[in-house]
Amino acid sequence: GDSVTQMEGPVTLSEEAFLTINCTYTATGYPSLFWYVQYPGEGLQLLLKATKADDKGSNKGFEATYRKETTSFHLEKGSVQVSDSAVYFCALKGGVSGGGADGLTFGKGTHLIIQP
Amino acid sequence: GAGVSQSPRYKVAKRGQDVALRCDPISGHVSLFWYQQALGQGPEFLTYFQNEAQLDKSGLPSDRFFAERPEGSVSTLKIQRTQQEDSAVYLCASSPGLAGGSLLTLQFFGPGTRLTVL
Repeated sequence: GDSVTQMEGPVTLSEEAFLTINCTYTATGYPSLFWYVQYPGEGLQLLLKATKADDKGSNKGFEATYRKETTSFHLEKGSVQVSDSAVYFCALKGGVSGGGADGLTFGKGTHLIIQP
Repeated sequence: GAGVSQSPRYKVAKRGQDVALRCDPISGHVSLFWYQQALGQGPEFLTYFQNEAQLDKSGLPSDRFFAERPEGSVSTLKIQRTQQEDSAVYLCASSPGLAGGSLLTLQFFGPGTRLTVL
């Protein structure tokens, strides 16, 4: 079945540091890929997405590129802020229907801590 | 309201009790999902409705779990004879998309109900 693997946390960085959170996937068909963010005390919010190979999703200074050849969708940001502290989830939606595939498949999440 | 709402936000149950969790999706969204998020894990798919039809319940962990959406709007997730392993955050998401359609990738999540079974 479909699966998502993302780097274990917590990841602790200083403000203005460069961020990379790795995400790789296995899926049948042609999945869409997502990054969701969960700020403390809040619900899951869509951060960015990409629906086909070589697409780049971007939002709030974050970027991720859909790499079919490496089955990856790594999240990057050039200069992180304290307000970026949150849990980040990589997710996919498979390209087929049924058997749970209409739902999203999530990674375990990466807790990001940005220190001033 | 503008977003997906869930109630209650917190529920404490004694082992063996039945619980009912409610989800109010975004108005007009035909698709509705339930997910279970254990502590320190990502959400896991439970079930999917398109309007009032439950198209996929492959993620429900046992026959103690039951979900319904009788009028194609509000949904209830019921857990009978709760066990400690049922302790988790239960998330509801709604989408304007239809099964198999690209718009189904757009899912809006509610704040979740944190269930603790003692």
